[in-house]
Amino acid sequence: AQKVTQAQTEISVVEKEDVTLDCVYETRDTTYYLFWYKQPPSGELVFLIRRNSFDEQNEISGRYSWNFQKSTSSFNFTITASQVVDSAVYFCALSELYSGGSNYKLTFGKGTLLTVNP
Amino acid sequence: NAGVTQTPKFQVLKTGQSMTLQCAQDMNHEYMSWYRQDPGMGLRLIHYSVGAGITDQGEVPNGYNVSRSTTEDFPLRLLSAAPSQTSVYFCASSYSIQPSSYNEQFFGPGTRLTVL
Repeated sequence: AQKVTQAQTEISVVEKEDVTLDCVYETRDTTYYLFWYKQPPSGELVFLIRRNSFDEQNEISGRYSWNFQKSTSSFNFTITASQVVDSAVYFCALSELYSGGSNYKLTFGKGTLLTVNP
Repeated sequence: NAGVTQTPKFQVLKTGQSMTLQCAQDMNHEYMSWYRQDPGMGLRLIHYSVGAGITDQGEVPNGYNVSRSTTEDFPLRLLSAAPSQTSVYFCASSYSIQPSSYNEQFFGPGTRLTVL
């Protein structure tokens, strides 16, 4: 079973539409971290947000907002009033203890390709 | 600071050739790691290191070797390249392995490798 599931492989919207990218994770740890990264067409990975398992407060940063719900193991990402520059692949990732509890491992979802059309 | 640098940016190899992907960071980070990115697969951890002289395997280590002789450098070696190793490779570093609120993982720009 996947540790991090991004069920939406591709999403296409028109500029100014709101769009939500879904992320469902699976872990047995009580302490873990969730991340979102953006990979624009240029290929680099851009860190967007980190959230630890004890902080369920939703966060807003400009047009970006994140909804963390432990009850449903979800960490969804919403872009409000999307712009063409938001076109990218977005990855959700989970960091949990690995190797018998001595190290942390970052597991990525398969990514969602978001295309924002003018 | 240059952050995390990777060389080369692009490489084409023939099956059976060997090569080393270079990764360096100037942030005095203890934790460094290598990922490969394949279409529809996300990023998968190949090897990681928690400090100079200490390395361990990730999710997909077969066909790759690593060593960490200095804090700054973490090269990835392909001893006998295979077409299945065609991928984009990312190196990453962070202050420590624990993903605390002040411990962001920085990624390099990636190396696109093609094995014919």
